[in-house]
Amino acid sequence: LAKTTQPISMDSYEGQEVNITCSHNNIATNDYITWYQQFPSQGPRFIIQGYKTKVTNEVASLFIPADRKSSTLSLPRVSLSDTAVYYCLVGDEYNNNDMRFGAGTRLTVKP
Amino acid sequence: DGGITQSPKYLFRKEGQNVTLSCEQNLNHDAMYWYRQDPGQGLRLIYYSQIVNDFQKGDIAEGYSVSREKKESFPLTVTSAQKNPTAFYLCASSMEWESGNTIYFGEGSWLTVV
Repeated sequence: LAKTTQPISMDSYEGQEVNITCSHNNIATNDYITWYQQFPSQGPRFIIQGYKTKVTNEVASLFIPADRKSSTLSLPRVSLSDTAVYYCLVGDEYNNNDMRFGAGTRLTVKP
Repeated sequence: DGGITQSPKYLFRKEGQNVTLSCEQNLNHDAMYWYRQDPGQGLRLIYYSQIVNDFQKGDIAEGYSVSREKKESFPLTVTSAQKNPTAFYLCASSMEWESGNTIYFGEGSWLTVV
């Protein structure tokens, strides 16, 4: 499983766009990139997943450059309820036996 | 509703006791996982199982044991050999779909040593 590196923490204000970048220099050809959100005392939940270029859903966008060595989670117009820890996970559909998470990024949204 | 159910939500253990955390899923997932999370820290993998009757150690398996007798169940036993078991424990399962893996988590169990 490709090792990931994320910033430990980020601060933002309500209404701003937040971009969290994850580095995964040794990503393999079959690997997908998945982002999760975790609130205190809860299990992480799926946000978005992508393989290359750009993916958008109702809560976020995921930007993946051509070399796929990094990815950026974009949260548009954050609110206080987006304060959470965000994890990026890299893996492939043929290898679900190594789901190891990094330390994640603690996002704090301020009024 | 489909999902992953962990129980109990809160558990207190006396030193020297073994305790078992339950994890049940009705998502028909083949793979299941146990993670430990200490306050303010990330998730650390304890054990995982890809199929029934098979499981593998993760990064911090010492002091823990698991079984996988049924596809939907993956209980975790915290033994007396685990010297610092106070933590938040998360069970998860994963599915494969044609374009990637997604992992689903239970709501977690808090274990406190008293």
